[in-house]
Amino acid sequence: DADVTQTPRNRITKTGKRIMLECSQTKGHDRMYWYRQDPGLGLQLIYYSFDVKDINKGEISDGYSVSRQAQAKFSLSLESAIPNQTALYFCATSDGTRSTDTQYFGPGTRLTVL
Amino acid sequence: ILNVEQSPQSLHVQEGDSTNFTCSFPSSNFYALHWYRWETAKSPEALFVMTLNGDEKKKGRISATLNTKEGYSYLYIKGSQPEDSATYLCAFFTYNQGGKLIFGQGTELSVKP
Repeated sequence: DADVTQTPRNRITKTGKRIMLECSQTKGHDRMYWYRQDPGLGLQLIYYSFDVKDINKGEISDGYSVSRQAQAKFSLSLESAIPNQTALYFCATSDGTRSTDTQYFGPGTRLTVL
Repeated sequence: ILNVEQSPQSLHVQEGDSTNFTCSFPSSNFYALHWYRWETAKSPEALFVMTLNGDEKKKGRISATLNTKEGYSYLYIKGSQPEDSATYLCAFFTYNQGGKLIFGQGTELSVKP
């Protein structure tokens, strides 16, 4: 079984709808991240969480919210989806705060907002 | 604003060709540079973490070098194979806001048989 899972893997929705993307991990890591990937732009950080009680905005948090329900679960919500939120979304985890700590990524959720 | 740039954006080579691409990052407040390999429809996976100026890492036919004084890292692939086709991402670690990675836009490599 994969260590970092994301659901759904693909989602098509309409403008104005609320949508939630879910991430679960079995690695036992405290730190979790949500990124979006757009062609030619690399991975942009949306939100990240150091532990259940510590959530931080990334570079592009507007239009998104998150919930850290447990150490293993980190959800990303789009309260009112808009077409320019069409992207590939990745969840990731890491073990700590050292500069050398690797991030482990989920398989991604491809979201299309019509 | 911390800027991490990768070039070229895409690269098409023939099987057997050797290739290299560049990651540029801030030369101040350097802690670590990460390289990830991302195959289409899969998760990005860590390749290397580099910390010291002059560092060289190797994994099979893939190697990377690091120059922290001038702020660049090169990734080399010797004798490219079709299975090397992927997007290669570099990421600069910063302790801003508690510690996070700033990713470049990636270099998409396509190796034709």
